[in-house]
Amino acid sequence: GQNIDQPTEMTATEGAIVQINCTYQTSGFNGLFWYQQHAGEAPTFLSYNVLDGLEEKGRFSSFLSRSKGYSYLLLKELQMKDSASYLCAVRDGGDYKLSFGAGTTVTVRA
Amino acid sequence: DGGITQSPKYLFRKEGQNVTLSCEQNLNHDAMYWYRQDPGQGLRLIYYSQIVNDFQKGDIAEGYSVSREKKESFPLTVTSAQKNPTAFYLCASSQTGVLDGYTFGSGTRLTVV
Repeated sequence: GQNIDQPTEMTATEGAIVQINCTYQTSGFNGLFWYQQHAGEAPTFLSYNVLDGLEEKGRFSSFLSRSKGYSYLLLKELQMKDSASYLCAVRDGGDYKLSFGAGTTVTVRA
Repeated sequence: DGGITQSPKYLFRKEGQNVTLSCEQNLNHDAMYWYRQDPGQGLRLIYYSQIVNDFQKGDIAEGYSVSREKKESFPLTVTSAQKNPTAFYLCASSQTGVLDGYTFGSGTRLTVV
């Protein structure tokens, strides 16, 4: 089975940095994904890590440590449009399906 | 443009009625998935299919049924046996053997009254 934990809510100020942590315990591992989801909409892909280390994509970065079962998503230079839910998802080792955490709701304040 | 289409966006049904949610993709993806999302909860896997004419139960399959007669289509039926069907339903697809994530449809919000 899969157990994926992330904080429920976070609040930050426009222009600041926020780090969303995700810990996982899974029966298999073939990559970790981060998705952004605005209320009432479908999730959109942000980042993917399969090897240890940091992946940077513009204002968003994601880090993975497989030995610790840990990842974080770093959002820099926060903008109001970044207010959304951020979902951590782990891909199963065998059949490519994703298991999702409950999501972290980030609120950006002016 | 290629994509994945769910319809309808909003659906209302009376308790005790079966209802079918549509999901169609033109991405030539092998695998398709159905997830359910409830407020404050993550996406929970209902059913998935990696190839035509084959599908597997996910974590919460009870009260649901699917078919995969065509590569492009993966409809989900919410039966009267599903105790609490009101939720946001998301369909997704992916290419097996490729280290990519999912492409999601825009979702169907089902309300049972």
